Amino acid sequence: EIVMTQSPATLSVSPGERATLSCRASQSVSSNLAWYQQKPGQAPRLLIYGASTRATGIPARFSGSGSGTEFNITISSLQSEDFAVYYCQQYNNRLPWTFGQGTKVEIK
Amino acid sequence: QVQLQESGPGLVKPSETLSLTCAVSNYSITSGYYWGWVRQTPGKGLEWIGSIYQSGNTYYNPSLKSRLTISVDTSKNQFSLRLSSVTAADTAVYYCVRARVATVKGSQYFDFWGQGTLVTVSS
Repeated sequence: EIVMTQSPATLSVSPGERATLSCRASQSVSSNLAWYQQKPGQAPRLLIYGASTRATGIPARFSGSGSGTEFNITISSLQSEDFAVYYCQQYNNRLPWTFGQGTKVEIK
Repeated sequence: QVQLQESGPGLVKPSETLSLTCAVSNYSITSGYYWGWVRQTPGKGLEWIGSIYQSGNTYYNPSLKSRLTISVDTSKNQFSLRLSSVTAADTAVYYCVRARVATVKGSQYFDFWGQGTLVTVSS
């Protein structure tokens, strides 16, 4: 099983600032990496797939990068609605497809 | 916009079978996507359970495969999950999802999610 490790566990950021979250895979997943946002009491929402392609309706302030084992998602200027938990998920060819443990982005 | 809605018992006894159904609206389940289940616990986080195509082709998480059945009912535009011999470790919020196939080997990410339903395993 491919283990996904996210860092940091919690990121404290002021509104308007830039935030970069990291995700590391225990072995290469090529660009088969998605990012999700989850707010309290809600289901996760797809933000990024293919490591860098924004899903439909996702604002341009969200950008993804990386390939192989190292990935990032950057929120260029945090809005109030962006404070949430973010998860990465690998969907490489070997089962199971796995998620990271999440990074909580909180208001500083 | 695709909508998914989970339904089923919120409480299941240990050793029994957990059964959930996901009703899909505003989209035909036969229109070319996989459909699946993901669960979430405070301890293990998000865990992909399995996915199914309209034809009945399935992908299962190997750790659950021996206890898992996912089926599809195209006439009702819904799909279902059955997990047998449950224990407290199966207590989780269960989400149904639409899965997009990203590679020729069938690997998937999830673009639409239901609201989730809490299932507690307890006597």
